[in-house]
Amino acid sequence: ETGVTQTPRHLVMGMTNKKSLKCEQHLGHNAMYWYKQSAKKPLELMFVYNFKEQTENNSVPSRFSPECPNSSHLFLHLHTLQPEDSALYLCASSQGQGPPYEQYFGPGTRLTVT
Amino acid sequence: AQKVTQAQTEISVVEKEDVTLDCVYETRDTTYYLFWYKQPPSGELVFLIRRNSFDEQNEISGRYSWNFQKSTSSFNFTITASQVVDSAVYFCALSATSGTYKYIFGTGTRLKVLA
Repeated sequence: ETGVTQTPRHLVMGMTNKKSLKCEQHLGHNAMYWYKQSAKKPLELMFVYNFKEQTENNSVPSRFSPECPNSSHLFLHLHTLQPEDSALYLCASSQGQGPPYEQYFGPGTRLTVT
Repeated sequence: AQKVTQAQTEISVVEKEDVTLDCVYETRDTTYYLFWYKQPPSGELVFLIRRNSFDEQNEISGRYSWNFQKSTSSFNFTITASQVVDSAVYFCALSATSGTYKYIFGTGTRLKVLA
């Protein structure tokens, strides 16, 4: 079983829709992350959770709303998105937040906003 | 400020050639960690290696080797005898221990290995 899973793998949504991305890690890690990966841009860290508590919000617009009910699950709730929000959204986890821990990534959700 | 620069946007090599991916970093912290990740077409980033700032010993793992030089703030990655399966985007990352948590990725280098 892969360590970090994400669903759905692909999502097309209109600007007025509400949808959610789901991430689950099976590694027993305590920290989870959301990243946005757009073409020709560096990976953008969006949110960090450590032991279910949000520890980082990297100035993300409020149309993105994260939720972490436990250390194994992470959600990203989406509403009234813009076309520029189309990107690959990656979830990651690590044993703890910060160094020296490496991160383990899921395969991502390819989001297209029409 | 912390920064990771991967100046090579895309590299193409023919199979069996050696290739080096460059990574230059900036940080004022004395304790920090450097990472390399591989992102194949399937999308997920795969962790390859971690080095801490106090360990400048080079590392070799099969066809992969890493050269860490604090004097030039570089952490370069060499693939020997490249294979088509090495085709991917490779990211260098920096994580420091002081202040606000930061995990900084470079912009990545796309490696294409041609048969």
